[in-house]
Amino acid sequence: QVQLVDSGGGLVKPGGSLRLSCAASGFTFSDYYMSWIRQAPGKGLECISYITSSGSFTNYADSVKGRFTISRDNARNSLFLQLNSLTVADTALYYCARLTAVGRAFDYWGQGALVTVSS
Amino acid sequence: QSVLTQPPSASATPGQRVTISCSGSSSNIGRNTVNWYQQLPGTAPKLLIFSHNQRPSGVPDRFSGSQSGTSASLAISGLQSEDEADYFCASWDDSLNGVVFGGGTKLTVL
Repeated sequence: QVQLVDSGGGLVKPGGSLRLSCAASGFTFSDYYMSWIRQAPGKGLECISYITSSGSFTNYADSVKGRFTISRDNARNSLFLQLNSLTVADTALYYCARLTAVGRAFDYWGQGALVTVSS
Repeated sequence: QSVLTQPPSASATPGQRVTISCSGSSSNIGRNTVNWYQQLPGTAPKLLIFSHNQRPSGVPDRFSGSQSGTSASLAISGLQSEDEADYFCASWDDSLNGVVFGGGTKLTVL
């Protein structure tokens, strides 16, 4: 069965960095676009980045452009998100999700990795 | 501020039918399908409706979606207590070249 497992969250000071990982299993990882979606405490969902199946193209929301970097390792069935220059506003639960071509929907989600930015 | 607009809350009693609206623009809902997600308390969102009105395996047919122009709606019939959750609409946005979400609607089953 399809499974996405998020890891790497934690407490970091403003200006700090963190690297999130998402381990995928149960499907051919290299066939799918993948995405990171975040949810601030008590707030809605924000798609902050996605990457094409080969990794050749990436896209970022304005809120994280220039600070976050999405990448993938298809040989290791893994998705990554490098978070730099973190601010308090980046505090959120970060989900990896699989993006389908049909309807461009997120059909499977990880359990989320909590990133807390605080001094 | 979310790109898509949803009412922050909705409520109904068990057995009733409830609809949740989602309003967008010509660059998103006006050109692309709307997907709906259900988020139960303390859990990750789950895909509920995709590609106009398709349901993933396991989603009951009490849930249905519709879309017209730059608006969409989710309907839940025969409301049950376990439907109490947050519901999010989402669509691809051609101008932003990415997926945009609504702010979410908290459904309370009275």
